[in-house]
This record gives sequence, C-alpha cells and structure tokens, in this order.
Amino acid sequence: EAGVTQFPSHSVIEKGQTVTLRCDPISGHDNLYWYRRVMGKEIKFLLHFVKESKQDESGMPNNRFLAERTGGTYSTLKVQPAELEDSGVYFCASSQDPTGHLSPLHFGNGTRLTVT
Amino acid sequence: GQSLEQPSEVTAVEGAIVQINCTYQTSGFYGLSWYQQHDGGAPTFLSYNALDGLEETGRFSSFLSRSDSYGYLLLQELQMKDSASYFCAVSVSGGSYIPTFGRGTSLIVHP
Repeated sequence: EAGVTQFPSHSVIEKGQTVTLRCDPISGHDNLYWYRRVMGKEIKFLLHFVKESKQDESGMPNNRFLAERTGGTYSTLKVQPAELEDSGVYFCASSQDPTGHLSPLHFGNGTRLTVT
Repeated sequence: GQSLEQPSEVTAVEGAIVQINCTYQTSGFYGLSWYQQHDGGAPTFLSYNALDGLEETGRFSSFLSRSDSYGYLLLQELQMKDSASYFCAVSVSGGSYIPTFGRGTSLIVHP
C-alpha cells in the first residue's frame, strides 16, 4: 500500500507570504494528524481529523494556521501570513483505528518549511 | 498536560546493547509508544506498551513501569543503520489517545 505522502518536501518563503502544505493519508485511514517539529524540540501535535471533521485542534498555534480536509481524503494546512517562528518540519500522519491507541501512526516524510 | 523526558543523545558501538530511557508525567496515562526517525525521513512506529513489562520485537524491546512512570527502549546487536532519533510518545485516555511526543534521543552508532 502507498504510504502517507506530503507535498512539497521543502518550501522557502518570505515572512508575510502564504504557504499551503498538502497531505495524502493512507487510503482508508479515517484519522489524519498534523504535527510540527521545530529544530531540536519535540514533535508537537497541531490537530486531528476524523474523516472531514476536526476532532481536536488544540495544538494549532494561532489563527494564521488553517487546516482543511474536504471530502475526508487529503488534507491541506495553510499558513497565512507566515512568520519566522513558523519554520520547522510539518509532519502529517494517519491511522486506521478510530481512537488511535490500538494502531500506530503512519507518518509522511514531512515538509520542511523555512520562513526568511 | 503531559511532559516527557529522554536523553538528548546516546552513543554506542556496533554490536553493543543500548537503552534509551523515557520518564513521563501525565494524568490518565494509557500507553507508551516508541518511534524511530532517520534524518530527513518519516518517524516510524517501533513498539507500544500499555501494560507493565517487556515487549520484544526482534532486536528491539520496550519496557514499561506504570507505577514509576518510566519506560525504555532496548536495542541489541547494534548496527550502523540504527543511528537515528528515537522518540517516546505517551497516549492518555479520555480523549482521542493522540500521542504526545518527547524531544527525541539521537543515537549515534560507531564502528
């Protein structure tokens, strides 16, 4: 089966610009998660979708971040306008189990975002 | 909230055994997971403990003590390809069991 794919793999933008990250989960996985890792720190949870519904968006840092999952398939994460502190690696993950605790998360390779 | 502590870096030689510790503070603890990440790659699931004791999967084993809020990942017969970052992650009940990750331990294996 195809794994979780993320696009682009790298993005370099200037402060104030907009960037949209895309994630295609494993087919059939209803659960989709966004995480972010800033260099040297933890992999920090951003939000969780079940199908097209946002179950938990407690980790979203502020309203400059907007995540969508129309149709319950792929998801996008838009940052507008980007700030320097948004730099980091954005990971998407998917899982099959509705509660997530019985099946592991399958991660994509991440999008490395650099805001200059 | 949850907090996890793990060493930032561990070094070892090929063929050796290494243990990466993880201590956590949380309420509603449900389980502890371990993930491996090679540079530039995706974190990959290694193991999961919900009950006390040792879980073995090939060269890798993971241990949990719920009473001590402590777990570890044991890697045996180390190989160069084991050089990577290793993350422990705690899941709590009462929500969606979303894993909260630690800062990761960079394992460097020397020849």
